[in-house]
Order: sequence, then C-alpha cells, then structure tokens
Amino acid sequence: DGGITQSPKYLFRKEGQNVTLSCEQNLNHDAMYWYRQDPGQGLRLIYYSQIVNDFQKGDIAEGYSVSREKKESFPLTVTSAQKNPTAFYLCASSDGGGREQFFGPGTRLTVL
Amino acid sequence: DAKTTQPNSMESNEEEPVHLPCNHSTISGTDYIHWYRQLPSQGPEYVIHGLTSNVNNRMASLAIAEDRKSSTLILHRATLRDAAVYYCILKEYGNKLVFGAGTILRVKS
Repeated sequence: DGGITQSPKYLFRKEGQNVTLSCEQNLNHDAMYWYRQDPGQGLRLIYYSQIVNDFQKGDIAEGYSVSREKKESFPLTVTSAQKNPTAFYLCASSDGGGREQFFGPGTRLTVL
Repeated sequence: DAKTTQPNSMESNEEEPVHLPCNHSTISGTDYIHWYRQLPSQGPEYVIHGLTSNVNNRMASLAIAEDRKSSTLILHRATLRDAAVYYCILKEYGNKLVFGAGTILRVKS
C-alpha cells in the first residue's frame, strides 16, 4: 500500500530536550511538508521541501529543523528553542504540482 | 495568500445533501480552489479541487460561481462519517496550501 507513515503516534518529552519526528512516504512524491496544528485551529506550515537536499521555511519555522537526504524521508526536529512545542504534527507529500497533498496520520507531541 | 471565509459550523441530517459555502472575493486568476476535510485526530484528506468549471468526483461536487468569488462544496448524501472539519483553500499551481479554521460539519442521525 502506498502512503505516508509517521511515527510514533504519541510522543512525550521533557522540556529542554530535542525530539525528532519521523515521516516516510512511498508515493514517489518530490514534495514533502510539515505542519503543526493546535487545538481548534487550522494547520500551519513549518517547513517544506520540493526536492531532495533542498527545503524552505514555512510560516512558523523558528525552533524547528529538517533534513531531506532521501526522497522518501523528511524528518522534523523540534528543538529546545521552540517555545511551545506541544501540538499535533502532520507530514504530507505531493507530486509538487497542482494536485492534492497526501497526509500522514500525525504525531501528537506533549512536552512535560 | 488570498483569503477564504467559511462559516464556523454547520449541521446536517443524515442522508440529506449538504452545501458548504466558501467566499474568496480576492481570488486571483491563477488560484485553484481546493477542499480538504479532517476527521478528529487524523490528518486532512483531499476532497476535490477546481479552477473555473464545476467538478464532480466520487466524494463530492464543487460548484464555482461564474465570477469565482465564491464556491460551494456539495455532499450529495451526508453520512455520519462525513462529520469533519472542511477547509476551503486557494492555491496557486505548485505553491503551498494555507489552511484557515474551516467549517465544522455535524451530521445528525
């Protein structure tokens, strides 16, 4: 089955620790995206990558970092510089054109 | 990014049609109209998109006003599984999606 996987589904971390969220796709898509969602709000774009070894900041990139060393993988690191990291994180991919984005199931991060 | 306006919430009865409106008076000629929906605690799911003409697919229909300043997502027979947040988004080809707050659709049995 083609799709996007995110792991883990739930993640707990202590304040001040960096944490890396996994996102893998087997759809052969060029573009990948990371979003953050807070309760009752829409999604906000953190970072996106339209091709391997290249990525751009989205609207709320501060306190986050990404890498895109492989087409299938786009991990997101939430650093200790992120002031309020507790949120629902969603990864997506697309063929980079005008068509739809496919979303993963999300990771719910709670920082204690 | 061009802005869309949607009602905060709507309610529908099961097995009846639902019309979800979206206003986008500042739409540019190159903006596509995309609709996504998000079930609780899940990632959004693509529903439909269009540019100028009305569009139909297995999930829904998209009716676009002649001046393109508004559009309506039509679910022909609402089921309980259609209860979700529906997002109307304007997107230029190749550009990123910008999500608003969306419309919460409640479906009553």
